[in-house]
Amino acid sequence: DAGVIQSPRHEVTEMGQEVTLRCKPISGHDYLFWYRQTMMRGLELLIYFNNNVPIDDSGMPEDRFSAKMPNASFSTLKIQPSEPRDSAVYFCASSPWTQGPSTDTQYFGPGTRLTVL
Amino acid sequence: AQSVSQHNHHVILSEAASLELGCNYSYGGTVNLFWYVQYPGQHLQLLLKYFSGDPLVKGIKGFEAEFIKSKFSFNLRKPSVQWSDTAEYFCAGGGATNKLIFGTGTLLAVQP
Repeated sequence: DAGVIQSPRHEVTEMGQEVTLRCKPISGHDYLFWYRQTMMRGLELLIYFNNNVPIDDSGMPEDRFSAKMPNASFSTLKIQPSEPRDSAVYFCASSPWTQGPSTDTQYFGPGTRLTVL
Repeated sequence: AQSVSQHNHHVILSEAASLELGCNYSYGGTVNLFWYVQYPGQHLQLLLKYFSGDPLVKGIKGFEAEFIKSKFSFNLRKPSVQWSDTAEYFCAGGGATNKLIFGTGTLLAVQP
């Protein structure tokens, strides 16, 4: 398996523009997670899905952020409109279900480095 | 609230030195603890994890961690580091909330 795939790897955009980040989880995994990494706050969970259904979006910072998972092999994280404080590395991770998302190993993608000017 | 703290943000060691990275958690009830590592240019990957049983957990590449319940700690150790251990290390905890909480990470630089 190719592992978790994220695109693009780097994104530079201007304030106010819409940004869409994409993720393809490992085939057969039931959970998908979106994280944001910044120097100040470290690695924060934004939202996670179980079998394509959003389970916990309490980490989504505000209404400008939205995430979807239309099928088991694809998810998007959208920021509209983007702001400079959204600059960060965004990671997608997936895991199989054996005992639950706080127990099972998560497999991370390479991340998307977002810069909002 | 549940939280995970890593107090060492940046650690510099010489090769062959011993390593101990601190991790403290604040959880009530059952807690699952993890160490993840991100080598330069690579994905985050699991180093080791603790659920129950023997509080001394051994992971890949000679790393180990000890769960000390009375101290709410899960420190990562390695007796002799190598230049290839240069990476960022993340402690994480999971419990009743059914999601992982990560610490802010510790950047380890090993000088040859």
